[in-house]
Amino acid sequence: DQQVKQNSPSLSVQEGRISILNCDYTNSMFDYFLWYKKYPAEGPTFLISISSIKDKNEDGRFTVFLNKSAKHLSLHIVPSQPGDSAVYFCAASSLTGGGNKLTFGTGTQLKVEL
Amino acid sequence: SAVISQKPSRDICQRGTSLTIQCQVDSQVTMMFWYRQQPGQSLTLIATANQGSEATYESGFVIDKFPISRPNLTFSTLTVSNMSPEDSSIYLCSVAFSGNSPLHFGNGTRLTVT
Repeated sequence: DQQVKQNSPSLSVQEGRISILNCDYTNSMFDYFLWYKKYPAEGPTFLISISSIKDKNEDGRFTVFLNKSAKHLSLHIVPSQPGDSAVYFCAASSLTGGGNKLTFGTGTQLKVEL
Repeated sequence: SAVISQKPSRDICQRGTSLTIQCQVDSQVTMMFWYRQQPGQSLTLIATANQGSEATYESGFVIDKFPISRPNLTFSTLTVSNMSPEDSSIYLCSVAFSGNSPLHFGNGTRLTVT
């Protein structure tokens, strides 16, 4: 049972435009959500997080939106840069159940083209 | 953040043998975890490495197959025992500095079992 789903395995965007990566979850106990970026041959790098008491969190070019009723979150990158090309993983946890124990999606390969 | 060093970075092993993966952190951390990423799959939590006591395994993972040690707050090992081709994966060490803080990952160990 895949509790965190990223239905788009890949996304291609032009440099300077907005990248929108989507993630859906099924477990109502999840209340903390994170996005990680992964380059080849490297471990995932933490990007941004959001708790369920918020619906938006912004950090520079990265914004995460959370829609609890739809059990959906998205990561917006604007403007997109070639260095953003990587695999992006959505992850979720329950803060009461041990917030460090993350459930990951399968990832979306983002390619930012010149 | 922390510098997380994982050894080896990759290995090719014969079935039936065992491999021990080391994870060294440059500062003391509260939590250490071991994840696995099978080809084309998401990251899956194997176990929480507990300092000075037995690891806590997730459903589907057992100590006999994946023995884990954590002798102090900066070091842990994961052994993949009696390997089969199905164990071919990337194994990742991750750490957190406090409960509910984002996880930081090592670069992983790419294991191929022939």
